[in-house]
Amino acid sequence: DAGITQSPRYKITETGRQVTLMCHQTWSHSYMFWYRQDLGHGLRLIYYSAAADITDKGEVPDGYVVSRSKTENFPLTLESATRSQTSVYFCASSGRDRDGYTFGSGTRLTVV
Amino acid sequence: LAKTTQPISMDSYEGQEVNITCSHNNIATNDYITWYQQFPSQGPRFIIQGYKTKVTNEVASLFIPADRKSSTLSLPRVSLSDTAVYYCLVRPAGNTPLVFGKGTRLSVIA
Repeated sequence: DAGITQSPRYKITETGRQVTLMCHQTWSHSYMFWYRQDLGHGLRLIYYSAAADITDKGEVPDGYVVSRSKTENFPLTLESATRSQTSVYFCASSGRDRDGYTFGSGTRLTVV
Repeated sequence: LAKTTQPISMDSYEGQEVNITCSHNNIATNDYITWYQQFPSQGPRFIIQGYKTKVTNEVASLFIPADRKSSTLSLPRVSLSDTAVYYCLVRPAGNTPLVFGKGTRLSVIA
């Protein structure tokens, strides 16, 4: 199916475990982004990528790792999950400068 | 990045026109103004973007005065399904990622 998909949709994990959230887009968009959304904070940028093998930190990168070996995939890894990382995570992609972002449906992550 | 200020919340009755105004006093010459809509449990969705004067699409209109220090998103004849959070953002040139504020929570009442 065309579009941007995130998996899993819901995830519960324990403190200290490693968790990887997946993001896949079918448009060959250059730009991809990871945001987290928490009550009271709105959407905050974690990491972004302008192309394969190019990634940059956003506003709240600590505790997260990303990679972009292929244009269509942009996984986000929590190396050692903490309760403060309980959040809804959104992936987005954009084709060119000033193009609108297309967001995925989100992953609701709970760290217990 | 130019900071944006918009109302925290608004209420409207079905069938009314809703105008959400956003101020961006420090907007730069090459910046665009862009608006997103977010329904509960979904990711934000791009609505409209403009540089100056007026832009209209099938969803909304965007009015930008000559000084570009503010903009107004206009939603014609809202329905219950327009209940959502609306984000006003300033879009710089180049690769700078979008920075989302807290948006305006619009509640449409029957």
